[in-house]
Amino acid sequence: QVRLVQSGSEVKKPGASVKVSCKASGYTFTTYGISWVRQAPGQGLEWMGWISAHNGNTAYAQNLQGRVTMSRDTSTSTAYLELRSLRSDDTAVYYCAREAEFGGVVVLFYWGQGTLVTVSS
Amino acid sequence: DIQMTQSPSSLSASVGDRVTITCRASQTIVRHLNWYQQTPGKAPKVLIYAASTLQSGVPSRFSGSGSGTDFTLTISSLQPEDFTTYYCQQTYSTPKTFGQGTKVEIK
Repeated sequence: QVRLVQSGSEVKKPGASVKVSCKASGYTFTTYGISWVRQAPGQGLEWMGWISAHNGNTAYAQNLQGRVTMSRDTSTSTAYLELRSLRSDDTAVYYCAREAEFGGVVVLFYWGQGTLVTVSS
Repeated sequence: DIQMTQSPSSLSASVGDRVTITCRASQTIVRHLNWYQQTPGKAPKVLIYAASTLQSGVPSRFSGSGSGTDFTLTISSLQPEDFTTYYCQQTYSTPKTFGQGTKVEIK
């Protein structure tokens, strides 16, 4: 079965960087794209960006441009999210989600368990 | 960017009630609209995709409709496990924006 297993919680100081991993199993990794979504405490879902597992193409939310990098390692079926220059409002649970396409409509079908990133001095 | 306006942000209802949540896109998204349910501490789960297709295993009391800019999620008869939060998301173009969410609470 499809599984996305994310790395564990992180505590970072303002200005630091964090790299979250998302290891996929149960399907051919390069077939589907992966989106990253975050959720600040008590808040809604925010789409951060997407990476093609096939060729590494990316698309990022404009408010994160310059601070975010999404990458993947096809040899280990793992996607990565790196966020730099962390601020307190980056404190959130970060999810990876595997896309699927039905009749041309993309759906975030499978989700990781989430990784809590806390930014605090 | 396409803005997704979801309403209401919260609602109170009783078991057995019929509930409707709406999502409006700032421009046409055809039928590239998905609905997710999220329980506290858990990742979201797909309920409905492509505006009206019920995900396998989701109870038939959930239904979706709409196209273009206006979409609805209807729960025909609320069950105790349905009191949680729902989000719409457009995947017509990037950024693949979410609505603000609707929290369904027990009256």
